[in-house]
Amino acid sequence: AQSVSQHNHHVILSEAASLELGCNYSYGGTVNLFWYVQYPGQHLQLLLKYFSGDPLVKGIKGFEAEFIKSKFSFNLRKPSVQWSDTAEYFCAVNGGRGNNRLAFGKGNQVVVIP
Amino acid sequence: DVKVTQSSRYLVKRTGEKVFLECVQDMDHENMFWYRQDPGLGLRLIYFSYDVKMKEKGDIPEGYSVSREKKERFSLILESASTNQTSMYLCASSPRFERPGTEAFFGQGTRLTVV
Repeated sequence: AQSVSQHNHHVILSEAASLELGCNYSYGGTVNLFWYVQYPGQHLQLLLKYFSGDPLVKGIKGFEAEFIKSKFSFNLRKPSVQWSDTAEYFCAVNGGRGNNRLAFGKGNQVVVIP
Repeated sequence: DVKVTQSSRYLVKRTGEKVFLECVQDMDHENMFWYRQDPGLGLRLIYFSYDVKMKEKGDIPEGYSVSREKKERFSLILESASTNQTSMYLCASSPRFERPGTEAFFGQGTRLTVV
């Protein structure tokens, strides 16, 4: 079964700083990759996803992520954060090809200071 | 808009009670999932279902069971609730992941407290 690792559970940064959140997965086959965000008091919603093609994917609110197959990684980035980006961010992986399990990492709690 | 509806936002139950958490989706999705969310542990998969009456264990199935008698409804059952099952429970649904661009949609969650 696939598993997902996220590092640096708590991240605190100032507005306009750049954000990068790491995500590594363990699964040898084809994967589908996701980043979800949970704003305080709200349900999880999709930021972006990768299925195939260009390994650099762009999502909502200025976020992007890069799939590096050789490193089993799917890191999330935003060049300049805002206070409204304060949220918890989760990386998720699906094994694809008939595997309908969806596994999540432990999340990154991001606090942006105005 | 896809809608995943969980029957309760908050529940308080006593130790030893049988607890039912209900989830309904309105998008004819094949897959449905139950997770529990705990601080510092992220989302842990309890069970998922890829079709009516079909289920697979997730990473932490002990103490739980599930039922999927209709495509739109997926129930999580705590056979005998214990205090260590106090948590936020999240339901999600998705089309099969073979379809490119598939994503999972989440409900608002049920915060269960077992006393």
